[in-house]
Amino acid sequence: DARVTQTPRHKVTEMGQEVTMRCQPILGHNTVFWYRQTMMQGLELLAYFRNRAPLDDSGMPKDRFSAEMPDATLATLKIQPSEPRDSAVYFCASGSTDTQYFGPGTRLTVL
Amino acid sequence: GQSLEQPSEVTAVEGAIVQINCTYQTSGFYGLSWYQQHDGGAPTFLSYNALDGLEETGRFSSFLSRSDSYGYLLLQELQMKDSASYFCAVANQGGKLIFGQGTELSVKP
Repeated sequence: DARVTQTPRHKVTEMGQEVTMRCQPILGHNTVFWYRQTMMQGLELLAYFRNRAPLDDSGMPKDRFSAEMPDATLATLKIQPSEPRDSAVYFCASGSTDTQYFGPGTRLTVL
Repeated sequence: GQSLEQPSEVTAVEGAIVQINCTYQTSGFYGLSWYQQHDGGAPTFLSYNALDGLEETGRFSSFLSRSDSYGYLLLQELQMKDSASYFCAVANQGGKLIFGQGTELSVKP
């Protein structure tokens, strides 16, 4: 059955390193969302795309985070340089505003 | 600004009915969604209400009152597997979904 996939599932890295997370949305879904989940902040929207164009990335720290959709089957979220406070689970979701299908997430730990 | 309020935790017994409330403040409101998340898992979509009233899907129902900026999720015939976190989320006209902090539901035997 169709589902959102994310890689890697787990990532441990050291402060200052670049981290790239990838997402494959469900085929045919034209809206892709990136979320970050932490115990303190809950589930926060970082950015989203429609038809591969970025619509809103106001939730993202611009100095170190970047999100792109190089094609309809791939969305990427990069952090450079990473910091310990970036440790979280990063979810990608596709669908529409009212119904979103989440991927399994990337659990990022920055030491 | 935008904000959502829901209880942080609720406990109920198997077979019972539980209601999780959500109040919200947002501009350009489009609808209210509910998601379920088990420990270590991804949020999964449960329901979406754009209009006032009750929507029923099996054991789960969701209600919205736009005039009161209020909604709830009703879970009936509770099962142990319903133990999870439940999030309400508001959709606004910008296409964003803003999530509440979640309600942790514990179902006891």
